[in-house]
Amino acid sequence: AQSVTQLGSHVSVSEGALVLLRCNYSSSVPPYLFWYVQYPNQGLQLLLKYTSAATLVKGINGFEAEFKKSETSFHLTKPSAHMSDAAEYFCAVSDRGIQGAQKLVFGQGTRLTINP
Amino acid sequence: DTEVTQTPKHLVMGMTNKKSLKCEQHMGHRAMYWYKQKAKKPPELMFVYSYEKLSINESVPSRFSPECPNSSLLNLHLHALQPEDSALYLCASSPPTAVLGDTQYFGPGTRLTVL
Repeated sequence: AQSVTQLGSHVSVSEGALVLLRCNYSSSVPPYLFWYVQYPNQGLQLLLKYTSAATLVKGINGFEAEFKKSETSFHLTKPSAHMSDAAEYFCAVSDRGIQGAQKLVFGQGTRLTINP
Repeated sequence: DTEVTQTPKHLVMGMTNKKSLKCEQHMGHRAMYWYKQKAKKPPELMFVYSYEKLSINESVPSRFSPECPNSSLLNLHLHALQPEDSALYLCASSPPTAVLGDTQYFGPGTRLTVL
């Protein structure tokens, strides 16, 4: 079974600073990896997705993530944090269920706080 | 349009009530999902429907009963729930079916409180 681990349940940065959210994966096959963001009392919104086409993936709202096979990592970054980035971020990997259909396996989440 | 809608937004029910959650998408997706999310936790998969057939049931108690009447609609029927079932229930869909790597699009969720 595939899995992801998010390092750090809570990250706090100042407005304008670099955002780095860490995700490591465990997979026996080339993984499909996702980053989702969840604002308070809302559903999940896709930030970006890795499908092996390129190791550096650009997403919405200025976020990007780099796939590093040697480090089994897919860390999410943003050069300059904005107050509106405060949210919960989930890394996820696509896995196949027993009956063959795909399912997402989520990390535990990282809460990002932005300090003015 | 990548919108998944869910109704109601909030639901309060007693342990003896019967209620239903509704999810709808008009993106032509043929896979639909129910997730349960407790506070400060990631979503947990409950059910997957692929081409209107139940593909995955993650050992969910029978007091939760899913239904997929057509390719655009997914229901979750609730009966005799427990207070610990209080959570945010999220619906998602993906194109064209539940293929590895397909992007799942989530709805805003239904906040359920069981008294």
